[in-house]
Amino acid sequence: DIVMTQSPLSLPVTPGEPASISCRSSQSLVHSNGYNYLYWYLQKPGQSPQLLIYLGSNRASGVPDRFSGSGSGTDFTLSISRVEADDVGVYYCMQALQTPPVFGPGTKVDIK
Amino acid sequence: EVQLLESGGGLVQPGGSLRLSCAVSGFTFSIYAMSWVRQAPGKGLEWVSAISGSGGTTFYADSVKGRFTISRDNSKNTLYLQMNSLRAEDTAIYFCAKDRVLGGGFNRGIDYWGQGTLVTVSS
Repeated sequence: DIVMTQSPLSLPVTPGEPASISCRSSQSLVHSNGYNYLYWYLQKPGQSPQLLIYLGSNRASGVPDRFSGSGSGTDFTLSISRVEADDVGVYYCMQALQTPPVFGPGTKVDIK
Repeated sequence: EVQLLESGGGLVQPGGSLRLSCAVSGFTFSIYAMSWVRQAPGKGLEWVSAISGSGGTTFYADSVKGRFTISRDNSKNTLYLQMNSLRAEDTAIYFCAKDRVLGGGFNRGIDYWGQGTLVTVSS
């Protein structure tokens, strides 16, 4: 199985400031179609996960443009241009290239 | 609006069985693969099982293979997870999840999640 890692695991943030989370996979997530099969999810406190980014860099419907995904191969980054208080929660990356899909351990984001 | 509503969770003894259901609405159920994903208390997300849109192909995590069975009834817009030989380590919130890509094949990318149902395995 592909192994997913994330850093940092805990990220205190200041509203209005930028933030970024790194995700790495044990194997390249590039599909033969050229897309990176990497997803980002946010699980807000007490809620189910919600899709933020699919195929490495595509924002899901309704996701604010302050969220962006980048990277290719085995190294990916989720960036928040200006953090808002509503962005707190646990962020997970997930590889969707192979079965089983595997999630990273999660990065807990909270306000300083 | 896409809605996924799980039910069937509860307290069960080790070795026991439980059947989870997920009623869906807001999309054409039969043309999307579906998954179950679980989250142990205070832990991360673990994919458990998936089924193609037609129901003809199923996939399982090694941790549940041979004990859990995923199925669906496209006439009732409902997904199921039959869980047998339950263990303490199966204790988790179980989420029903919709595949992002239409066509029925399992593409592994999830776009919608239900609110989850809690399964507790304890004597």
